[in-house]
Amino acid sequence: DGGITQSPKYLFRKEGQNVTLSCEQNLNHDAMYWYRQDPGQGLRLIYYSQIVNDFQKGDIAEGYSVSREKKESFPLTVTSAQKNPTAFYLCASSIDPGTGRHGYTFGSGTRLTVV
Amino acid sequence: AQSVSQHNHHVILSEAASLELGCNYSYGGTVNLFWYVQYPGQHLQLLLKYFSGDPLVKGIKGFEAEFIKSKFSFNLRKPSVQWSDTAEYFCAVNAASGNTGKLIFGQGTTLQVKP
Repeated sequence: DGGITQSPKYLFRKEGQNVTLSCEQNLNHDAMYWYRQDPGQGLRLIYYSQIVNDFQKGDIAEGYSVSREKKESFPLTVTSAQKNPTAFYLCASSIDPGTGRHGYTFGSGTRLTVV
Repeated sequence: AQSVSQHNHHVILSEAASLELGCNYSYGGTVNLFWYVQYPGQHLQLLLKYFSGDPLVKGIKGFEAEFIKSKFSFNLRKPSVQWSDTAEYFCAVNAASGNTGKLIFGQGTTLQVKP
């Protein structure tokens, strides 16, 4: 089945550590996105990529980094510079970002907790 | 800048009651509009979308939404809710042209249906 796989499902991080969240898709979608979900704030865009080897900052990129070396993979690194990293992180992809009509396919998310 | 506002943060209904969740957006151009649902423990999935044509759109599981351009609104409705509709609902918008496909989400509405 085609879809988006996020791993791990749960992740615990000590303060001061960097951690990397995995996002893999086999949908052959060009565009991929990372969102952060916090209660009462909806989903906020961290980074997005429309094509391999290119990505742009979203609304809350500070303290995060990404790479897009392969079409199917878009890992997110939460760095120690991110002041409040505890959240639910969602990866998504889109088949047609140009018109935007198809919306997204979402992964199942990674819940990151700083301990 | 685009923004999306969902008026109801937490709604509690009894089974068979009618549902209407409000969504207003702020954007000067033509938009695509979406409603996503997140059932407990599951990933976000598309309920319905509008990008052109009949402003009354029907989605899965008996949901519908009406786009009222003059009011910048895209309210979600269901005539009779079921316990299984308990979930979090997100309204989202993107620009219909010249865009990167990135979606702007509202804050979400948690719907609790009592059996």
